[in-house]
Amino acid sequence: AQSVTQPDIHITVSEGASLELRCNYSYGATPYLFWYVQSPGQGLQLLLKYFSGDTLVQGIKGFEAEFKRSQSSFNLRKPSVHWSDAAEYFCAVDGAQKLVFGQGTRLTINP
Amino acid sequence: DGGITQSPKYLFRKEGQNVTLSCEQNLNHDAMYWYRQDPGQGLRLIYYSQIVNDFQKGDIAEGYSVSREKKESFPLTVTSAQKNPTAFYLCASSPRDRAYRYTFGSGTRLTVV
Repeated sequence: AQSVTQPDIHITVSEGASLELRCNYSYGATPYLFWYVQSPGQGLQLLLKYFSGDTLVQGIKGFEAEFKRSQSSFNLRKPSVHWSDAAEYFCAVDGAQKLVFGQGTRLTINP
Repeated sequence: DGGITQSPKYLFRKEGQNVTLSCEQNLNHDAMYWYRQDPGQGLRLIYYSQIVNDFQKGDIAEGYSVSREKKESFPLTVTSAQKNPTAFYLCASSPRDRAYRYTFGSGTRLTVV
């Protein structure tokens, strides 16, 4: 069965610092992969998605992610975080008719 | 504008009572989904439906029931059999077989006291 693991439950970074959120997946075929962001008490907003082709994908709000098949990873990055990036981030894989989500990573930004 | 609406945003119920959460979409999507969110556990799939009058259990269906009588609506009933119903519930919809085009509602926080 498909599964997604986000090893870091909570990450704290300083404003202006770089960010990398980790995501590992388990899927038999070529996966469709996603990163979502959630503000407190809200629904999820799609940041970016990978289907095929270029393994480095660009998303909204200055985020990017790199698909590495050999490592079964799809890590999310941002060169310089802003206080408004504080939120919860979810990695997901398309598991045949439905999305399977990781546990989420809560991002805190220090001023 | 098209979208997906969950109501109410906050819901309080006494233990032992059934409660129904509403999810309505006007995106003309065939598929609809219910997820439960708990801190540190991500989103777990409760039920999903790919077409009217048909639905499938997800990973944590016990204690929940759904119906899909209309394309636009996919209500979720949290029954008294659900042992720990207090949680944040998210509804989503997508075109059929296009899970990568999910649209999420803004969620309902259910508190059982």
